[in-house]
Amino acid sequence: NAGVTQTPKFRVLKTGQSMTLLCAQDMNHEYMYWYRQDPGMGLRLIHYSVGEGTTAKGEVPDGYNVSRLKKQNFLLGLESAAPSQTSVYFCASSYSGTSNQPQHFGDGTRLSIL
Amino acid sequence: AQKVTQAQTEISVVEKEDVTLDCVYETRDTTYYLFWYKQPPSGELVFLIRRNSFDEQNEISGRYSWNFQKSTSSFNFTITASQVVDSAVYFCALSESNTGKLIFGQGTTLQVKP
Repeated sequence: NAGVTQTPKFRVLKTGQSMTLLCAQDMNHEYMYWYRQDPGMGLRLIHYSVGEGTTAKGEVPDGYNVSRLKKQNFLLGLESAAPSQTSVYFCASSYSGTSNQPQHFGDGTRLSIL
Repeated sequence: AQKVTQAQTEISVVEKEDVTLDCVYETRDTTYYLFWYKQPPSGELVFLIRRNSFDEQNEISGRYSWNFQKSTSSFNFTITASQVVDSAVYFCALSESNTGKLIFGQGTTLQVKP
């Protein structure tokens, strides 16, 4: 019962470093999403993908890039990390983009930028 | 613009008390879905319920119940006879009709004391 798997679970970076967060799902879902969770702000959508090879911007895309080269994987990249990107990052997937589909979430990646 | 408001930031109750978590939403869509997710202290997001805009029947699942009132744009969540294990952050979310993107409320932290 893997579902949605995020790696790594924790990471500390220095300002200016780069890194990639990996999200993998084994449910053959078309849609995938990256959110960030900050205290008092709920979850906000960074980028999303409606299928292999596609990506689109969400509410807070600046400073992040994404790629969906394979249907099961959705990568989130930080090219030059900034302290404002300290957050908990959640990946989610859903079978389709119709609004009745619940999104299945990974366990999150806690990222600290020093 | 679409928006979800959870006005209660934190609620503290004593075990066995009933507690209601409020959720108010704004949307221009005529068809939409509302969700509740639970985030226990371990950090993962757990899907609780989905409700579509055409179904205003209340729903009950064990100690959980949901009251959807389209006239007041509210989708409130009640826990009956609360237990310590109910302690968590609860998020209400609205799904965007074309993409399935979730717009989250700020979350309500529920603490159930023994």
